[in-house]
Amino acid sequence: DGGITQSPKYLFRKEGQNVTLSCEQNLNHDAMYWYRQDPGQGLRLIYYSQIVNDFQKGDIAEGYSVSREKKESFPLTVTSAQKNPTAFYLCASSPGQGAYGYTFGSGTRLTVV
Amino acid sequence: DAKTTQPPSMDCAEGRAANLPCNHSTISGNEYVYWYRQIHSQGPQYIIHGLKNNETNEMASLIITEDRKSSTLILPHATLRDTAVYYCIVVRGSTLGRLYFGRGTQLTVWP
Repeated sequence: DGGITQSPKYLFRKEGQNVTLSCEQNLNHDAMYWYRQDPGQGLRLIYYSQIVNDFQKGDIAEGYSVSREKKESFPLTVTSAQKNPTAFYLCASSPGQGAYGYTFGSGTRLTVV
Repeated sequence: DAKTTQPPSMDCAEGRAANLPCNHSTISGNEYVYWYRQIHSQGPQYIIHGLKNNETNEMASLIITEDRKSSTLILPHATLRDTAVYYCIVVRGSTLGRLYFGRGTQLTVWP
């Protein structure tokens, strides 16, 4: 079945460490996105990519980095510069133009200890 | 993209219809109304979308007012598994599919 796989589901990080969240899709979608969700809040866009080797900052990109070397993969690195990284991270993909066919992964819950 | 306003919470008895309202008074002519829902600790799931006509699929119905300034998502026979946060989103059809999610409506279906 086609879909988006995020791993790991739960992740613990010590303060000052970088950590990378994995996102893989087999939907042949051109566009991929990373969102952050805090308790009781909506989703906020971190980064997005329309095509391979190209990506743009979203609304809260500071302290995060991404790469898009393959169409299927869009990993997110949470760096030590992110002051409050504890959150639920969601990856999504879409065919590109318009919002139809938007598919989300099951999320990664990151906790800084 | 136009902003949306939704009530923070609603509840509904199992088996009854759940009617979730959304206000999008600044919507423009080329913007679509989308509905997603998010069950606790999962990724949001697409439900339905429309431009100006009412729409129905196997999950729900979408009623858009004639002036397009508001819409209602209808779950005709709510079940306990429909308990979730429901997001109403307005998106321009011709642009990159960035979705702006507000806080949505927490729907609780009780037995």
